[in-house]
Amino acid sequence: SQELEQSPQSLIVQEGKNLTINCTSSKTLYGLYWYKQKYGEGLIFLMMLQKGGEEKSHEKITAKLDEKKQQSSLHITASQPSHAGIYLCGADQNQTSYDKVIFGPGTSLSVIP
Amino acid sequence: DTGVSQDPRHKITKRGQNVTFRCDPISEHNRLYWYRQTLGQGPEFLTYFQNEAQLEKSRLLSDRFSAERPKGSFSTLEIQRTEQGDSAMYLCASSLAATHTGELFFGEGSRLTVL
Repeated sequence: SQELEQSPQSLIVQEGKNLTINCTSSKTLYGLYWYKQKYGEGLIFLMMLQKGGEEKSHEKITAKLDEKKQQSSLHITASQPSHAGIYLCGADQNQTSYDKVIFGPGTSLSVIP
Repeated sequence: DTGVSQDPRHKITKRGQNVTFRCDPISEHNRLYWYRQTLGQGPEFLTYFQNEAQLEKSRLLSDRFSAERPKGSFSTLEIQRTEQGDSAMYLCASSLAATHTGELFFGEGSRLTVL
């Protein structure tokens, strides 16, 4: 079955700094999702990538799926305390239908004011 | 409130007791998912429904776990004879299959502590 790895496991940055979180899959990604989770709460959808080379942005967060569709990166520009939380990548298990999403272990981000 | 709601938010029980969690999805959503999350880990898929049909159940789910969605609306997840290893956050999510954009709408979770 497909497995997702994320790096780094945790990250502490100074406010205003840029940062990148990576997600690597053991298999081709048919749908790659990024979610954010506040500690002890549910997940909030950030964006979905499907095509190789695709890049999407939402406010100061940009995510990209590589051409081979096995790696994705999430980049935050000029980080703010509001960006703190756990970032999770998720992937569709099935190429032909959106049914089951599996998640990586998450990257914990702390932003120091 | 039009979001996914879960009840109870917190449950503390003694080993061997049965517990039940309820999830109310967004009303027009026909898909409903259960995930389990332990500290420092990502959510693990447990099971999902399309309307009232349970389409898949994870091999991780022992026979002590059962989920239902009797009328295709709310769902319950029951754990029988709880064990300390069942302590986790149980997350429910819903989506609309026909226009699936990849977005699952998650509830706040039900945290289970088994003593």
